Amino acid sequence: ILNVEQSPQSLHVQEGDSTNFTCSFPSSNFYALHWYRWETAKSPEALFVMTLNGDEKKKGRISATLNTKEGYSYLYIKGSQPEDSATYLCAPKNAGNMLTFGGGTRLMVKP
Amino acid sequence: DAGVTQSPTHLIKTRGQQVTLRCSPKSGHDTVSWYQQALGQGPQFIFQYYEEEERQRGNFPDRFSGHQFPNYSSELNVNALLLGDSALYLCASSFYGTGAFNYGYTFGSGTRLTVV
Repeated sequence: ILNVEQSPQSLHVQEGDSTNFTCSFPSSNFYALHWYRWETAKSPEALFVMTLNGDEKKKGRISATLNTKEGYSYLYIKGSQPEDSATYLCAPKNAGNMLTFGGGTRLMVKP
Repeated sequence: DAGVTQSPTHLIKTRGQQVTLRCSPKSGHDTVSWYQQALGQGPQFIFQYYEEEERQRGNFPDRFSGHQFPNYSSELNVNALLLGDSALYLCASSFYGTGAFNYGYTFGSGTRLTVV
């Protein structure tokens, strides 16, 4: 069972602030890393799937980087908006398609 | 395009009872994974079904069992319910095979199970 750590556990920011959070995972036997956004009362929604060391992915104001050698990924949100309020989950994927989720970072953006 | 459908949305059961949760995957997906999310934690992997067989299993007791049907839909069964089984149960679908590696999973909204 992989040990996946996300920090911080929660974050309160003002609208317009930029923010970032971290996902740490074992670097051995790495296959892929998933990021999901989970808004209250909705389903988790896939943001990024990252596979290569040095990968950078971007979707609007949200971007992510990946370092497979040291076992971490950063998620950045530029100019946070209230609609960005959600829990952000990361999950490394093993060779057999199993995702192991971290505890998530809960982001609250105040107008 | 329908996403992942789970039923029921909420369920209350008594300790010792048995429960069945259902999941219909997104159109075009052939693999179903089940997760348990307890309050304040990330989703924990229960098992995954592909071609009507359990392909991987997480650290859950045999009281948790599943099934996948020819139309790719799936059921999660939990026997001898304990208070600690109270959680949100999520179903996620994906497709197996070359090219699937770069795609995220599609999740349902979950079934909230309360054991009293």
